[in-house]
Amino acid sequence: GESVGLHLPTLSVQEGDNSIINCAYSNSASDYFIWYKQESGKGPQFIIDIRSNMDKRQGQRVTVLLNKTVKHLSLQIAATQPGDSAVYFCADLLGYGQNFVFGPGTRLSVLP
Amino acid sequence: NAGVTQTPKFQVLKTGQSMTLQCAQDMNHNSMYWYRQDPGMGLRLIYYSASEGTTDKGEVPNGYNVSRLNKREFSLRLESAAPSQTSVYFCASSRSGAISYEQYFGPGTRLTVT
Repeated sequence: GESVGLHLPTLSVQEGDNSIINCAYSNSASDYFIWYKQESGKGPQFIIDIRSNMDKRQGQRVTVLLNKTVKHLSLQIAATQPGDSAVYFCADLLGYGQNFVFGPGTRLSVLP
Repeated sequence: NAGVTQTPKFQVLKTGQSMTLQCAQDMNHNSMYWYRQDPGMGLRLIYYSASEGTTDKGEVPNGYNVSRLNKREFSLRLESAAPSQTSVYFCASSRSGAISYEQYFGPGTRLTVT
């Protein structure tokens, strides 16, 4: 089946630096993508989404970039803070129904 | 406004036992979902309900049944639990999705099958 994966299982960044979390997807028909943040012991929390007719979308301190040519998605977090420490997931909608496919996640650790 | 609530929070079952996980949302969302999350992994969709009265299979539906009782409630049933169903189960809800499928998740049910 189709899958959405992440390049790195862990990422450590200094507080105040920018973070970039990557995601690859395999289905060229995917037309919607979401980034989630999951803190320990909690359910995932929506961060930002993007449709395939867009290349970039910005939120508060976050930017999602979509490169359809290489089927790559990234989440950029500006001025990373200790509260950003969590596991980040990308999810992909396969273009029909509401059958979301999640990647395995990247753990972001913010160093003081 | 409680968002998405799930009961129970923890459950231990013996192989072959049955149970129902309950989920309710108070945001008037049309769509509801059940996911499972195994240790160190992403979420996998079990079933979803795009609207009251409809349910559809996700990636891993085998061994589970669901009921969309009304717009607020979406339950997940394990008829004969197996150790492979040990996992954390998350329920989520979202609006219809015409613009966004922003999903709101519950706190999860931690299920152990021995």
